[in-house]
Amino acid sequence: GQNIDQPTEMTATEGAIVQINCTYQTSGFNGLFWYQQHAGEAPTFLSYNVLDGLEEKGRFSSFLSRSKGYSYLLLKELQMKDSASYLCAVINAGRRALTFGSGTRLQVQP
Amino acid sequence: DVKVTQSSRYLVKRTGEKVFLECVQDMDHENMFWYRQDPGLGLRLIYFSYDVKMKEKGDIPEGYSVSREKKERFSLILESASTNQTSMYLCASSDRDSNQPQHFGDGTRLSIL
Repeated sequence: GQNIDQPTEMTATEGAIVQINCTYQTSGFNGLFWYQQHAGEAPTFLSYNVLDGLEEKGRFSSFLSRSKGYSYLLLKELQMKDSASYLCAVINAGRRALTFGSGTRLQVQP
Repeated sequence: DVKVTQSSRYLVKRTGEKVFLECVQDMDHENMFWYRQDPGLGLRLIYFSYDVKMKEKGDIPEGYSVSREKKERFSLILESASTNQTSMYLCASSDRDSNQPQHFGDGTRLSIL
């Protein structure tokens, strides 16, 4: 089976940096995705990691450590529009479907 | 631009009814998925399909079936709706390779009375 853990809620200040962690336990790991979901909207793709290290994409970066079963999403220069849920999802070798964590609801305050 | 379209944004049905949720994608993707999303539980996979007429059970298939007669369309069927199937249902599609992101529809909020 698979187990994916993320914090339920986080609060941060506009302009600051926030790190959202995700730990997973799975067999046959084949990649990790991060999605953003605004309230009442569809999830949208943010990043994909399959190798250890940091992937940077503008204000957002995602890190993976396969040996530790750990990933984080780093959001810099936070803006009010970054208030959303952030979903961590893992894909296994041989299975084309994702397994999602419960998501982290981020509230950005002025 | 990528587009996944779900037939209804909101739907209200009665217990025992047969319910059809439709999903269409215009990206020629091989893979299509149905999830439900409930507070505190995240997205849970119901069924997925990797080709026309092919389907595989996800993590919570009980009480549901699916149909994929054409590549662009993936239907979710609630054979006899029950109140515990009240939820947000999300359809997604992706290209064949597992490292390709899934693209989601806007969701159908289904209420079973």
